Amino acid sequence: DAKTTQPNSMESNEEEPVHLPCNHSTISGTDYIHWYRQLPSQGPEYVIHGLTSNVNNRMASLAIAEDRKSSTLILHRATLRDAAVYYCIRMGGATNKLIFGTGTLLAVQP
Amino acid sequence: EPEVTQTPSHQVTQMGQEVILRCVPISNHLYFYWYRQILGQKVEFLVSFYNNEISEKSEIFDDQFSVERPDGSNFTLKIRSTKLEDSAMYFCASSGDRGTYNEQFFGPGTRLTVL
Repeated sequence: DAKTTQPNSMESNEEEPVHLPCNHSTISGTDYIHWYRQLPSQGPEYVIHGLTSNVNNRMASLAIAEDRKSSTLILHRATLRDAAVYYCIRMGGATNKLIFGTGTLLAVQP
Repeated sequence: EPEVTQTPSHQVTQMGQEVILRCVPISNHLYFYWYRQILGQKVEFLVSFYNNEISEKSEIFDDQFSVERPDGSNFTLKIRSTKLEDSAMYFCASSGDRGTYNEQFFGPGTRLTVL
């Protein structure tokens, strides 16, 4: 049970921002929110993670709701290379295994 | 940039045969993982490994599976007697530390085909 909910698919145009939502309404106070993505025919790739505050890195931004029940991965300018399945994953407790759901398939149109 | 490597990229075997999938994690990492992805399905956790022992395993990881770190660099997954349903992409991953805030670095995968 991935314990997160994401839309099955989304579309974006190249060079436009993309907001990928994730619901994790049962998240506990110590669970981190991780985002990974999987490009076609490749292994998963780490994107970003956070706990409470919004986070930025070279790949994306992560906006976490104040109640932590949802988060949004933001790609500021989508490129064709960003077409992938994006996974929102809760990590917490004594485990460090990643539990993947079905993710959001992002299509980027030129 | 350091990366996780896996060999072979594609392995074809007959049902009942043993296979060994190999991985070279990132050199200073301490935690190692195997995941698998059956075609068209989710990525599934198999096992995590630390300090030369299994730290966690899933229900999939039964007695037919084993992992080993035979030297300072390789990390292997052995399937003793392969079944048709073992056909999948197998991904190795490593991380520098345990903890819910640490990223895992994945290899490109080994496609296992069991005939």
